[in-house]
Amino acid sequence: LAKTTQPVSMDSYEGQEVNITCSHNNIATNDYITWYQQFPSQGPRFIIQGYKTKVTNEVASLFIPADRKSSTLSLPRVSLSDTAVYYCLVGLNTGTASKLTFGTGTRLQVTL
Amino acid sequence: DSGVTQTPKHLITATGQRVTLRCSPRSGDLSVYWYQQSLDQGLQFLIHYYNGEERAKGNILERFSAQQFPDLHSELNLSSLELGDSALYFCASSVDNHNEQFFGPGTRLTVL
Repeated sequence: LAKTTQPVSMDSYEGQEVNITCSHNNIATNDYITWYQQFPSQGPRFIIQGYKTKVTNEVASLFIPADRKSSTLSLPRVSLSDTAVYYCLVGLNTGTASKLTFGTGTRLQVTL
Repeated sequence: DSGVTQTPKHLITATGQRVTLRCSPRSGDLSVYWYQQSLDQGLQFLIHYYNGEERAKGNILERFSAQQFPDLHSELNLSSLELGDSALYFCASSVDNHNEQFFGPGTRLTVL
């Protein structure tokens, strides 16, 4: 079962790039890495998913090194509305049963 | 709005009681996941169902059980409730086992 850790909190100014890391030393071969954003009193919302190397979508990039023991979520030019808690989720998403492990969460505070 | 519905939104009950939380996945989604979120434990994966069959179990107590019905809605049953079971319970759904999960708004359970 993958154990995942993240920095507790990060601060950024609006317009800056923010990189949030997740450590998952025990990641299994078939585990995928997914990042979610959560606002207070709401369910997590999908940001991006990857297996290896780099994935980019319209809102973020995900960097996964070759050993896959960590991953980095990159948010370009954050705005005040990006203030939220960010979680990585590690787990298998195929027909074979596996457990899903959320990271400890990183609280991002964006200010002017 | 993620398309995932959960009822009830809030639930207040006493220790020793039993409650049932209900989840309706997005139309077309075959996978349903249950998570518990508390201040001290963070987001914990409980159980995953795919098209009516249990696929994976996480940190789900023996006092808790779940099922997914033929119409794909799911119920999480919590019995012999303890104060420590007070938490937000989220349901999420996905098309299959290998895609982003869409989270419902959660059910806030308070055990007094």
